[in-house]
Amino acid sequence: ETGVTQTPRHLVMGMTNKKSLKCEQHLGHNAMYWYKQSAKKPLELMFVYNFKEQTENNSVPSRFSPECPNSSHLFLHLHTLQPEDSALYLCASSQGSGGNNSPLHFGNGTRLTVT
Amino acid sequence: QKEVEQNSGPLSVPEGAIASLNCTYSDRGSQSFFWYRQYSGKSPELIMFIYSNGDKEDGRFTAQLNKASQYVSLLIRDSQPSDSATYLCAGYMDTGRRALTFGSGTRLQVQP
Repeated sequence: ETGVTQTPRHLVMGMTNKKSLKCEQHLGHNAMYWYKQSAKKPLELMFVYNFKEQTENNSVPSRFSPECPNSSHLFLHLHTLQPEDSALYLCASSQGSGGNNSPLHFGNGTRLTVT
Repeated sequence: QKEVEQNSGPLSVPEGAIASLNCTYSDRGSQSFFWYRQYSGKSPELIMFIYSNGDKEDGRFTAQLNKASQYVSLLIRDSQPSDSATYLCAGYMDTGRRALTFGSGTRLQVQP
């Protein structure tokens, strides 16, 4: 496996369900990110982890709970979501966390639909 | 004011023409900028980055940065139908945020 891998690719869940999104990077990077992409809106930063420590939470509702057990793995735990949370969730990684000019490398994303 | 602003388009150009995509940013202290291409239903793919004022060329792509005017552009020469996608401009804003800030993207359509 190379690059950034996200699973599942598609997820449909009810408002009372609990599910998790998984991201794994094989690039040797030390920073990982969750972004949300909704239709007609820019990518919205959700969380940043640097060396598995959370360095940014962009005022994300508590129904989204990130977990970063190590520099290669990132999870997003979901519970009691709302229909407006339906979006493409993108994981990314970079060498370093902001300010050092590193580009982000994205996974293929998870298309989430909340019914 | 949006931190990174792009015209949503669509920008329509004929095959073989030069496509010019533009982006402005609000933070004068921003240092580095990136262009991503996103096909419909796919994730963003890095195509260019630029850190210094002036032009940077890579194949058919040229990125231009003008820090005094807070302006970034991407030129695509000899546009092909396969270049039809949404192009996202992104930068590290000098606000302490440790991640890229993205514009909403410009949709490019290359007509055969």
